[in-house]
Amino acid sequence: AQSVTQLGSHVSVSEGALVLLRCNYSSSVPPYLFWYVQYPNQGLQLLLKYTSAATLVKGINGFEAEFKKSETSFHLTKPSAHMRDAAEYFCAVSDRGTGRRALTFGSGTRLQVQP
Amino acid sequence: NAGVTQTPKFQVLKTGQSMTLQCAQDMNHNSMYWYRQDPGMGLRLIYYSASEGTTDKGEVPNGYNVSRLNKREFSLRLESAAPSQTSVYFCASSEDIRQGGSGNTIYFGEGSWLTVV
Repeated sequence: AQSVTQLGSHVSVSEGALVLLRCNYSSSVPPYLFWYVQYPNQGLQLLLKYTSAATLVKGINGFEAEFKKSETSFHLTKPSAHMRDAAEYFCAVSDRGTGRRALTFGSGTRLQVQP
Repeated sequence: NAGVTQTPKFQVLKTGQSMTLQCAQDMNHNSMYWYRQDPGMGLRLIYYSASEGTTDKGEVPNGYNVSRLNKREFSLRLESAAPSQTSVYFCASSEDIRQGGSGNTIYFGEGSWLTVV
């Protein structure tokens, strides 16, 4: 079964600093990969997704993620953090094959942005 | 622009009581899901319905039942609530889980906060 690991349950950056949230997946076959964001007391919103086209994926709100097969990673980055980016971020994965394809989520990383 | 709507938003239950969480989507999606979210554990899939008329167990189905009432609606029932079921529950939908790729992009409701005392 697919699994995804998010390193760091909490990340704190200063406003204007680089944001880097880490995600690694476990699969010999590259899966579909997603990043979602959850603002307080809200549902999850799709940030971006990788489905086999370009390895550098651009999403909403200035975020992007790079798929690296050799590292089995799909880290999320943003060049300059803004206060409104404070939220919880979830990496998710689903199989490409004929098996179960419902998304499997990582445990989440809470991003704090300091003024 | 409703998307996925779930009710109730908040509920307090006593141990042993039953209740049903309702969910409806207006995006003409084939697939629907129920997840629960617990601190430090991310979201875990309870049940899903790939298409109208089908339901399948997810990662944590014990203590729950589901009904895919029609294409729009997918309900989650707790027959005898337990404190371990205190959680935030999210309903979600996608175009079609069987397609993979874009068919797996999930759209979430705003959550239902359930406390079992």
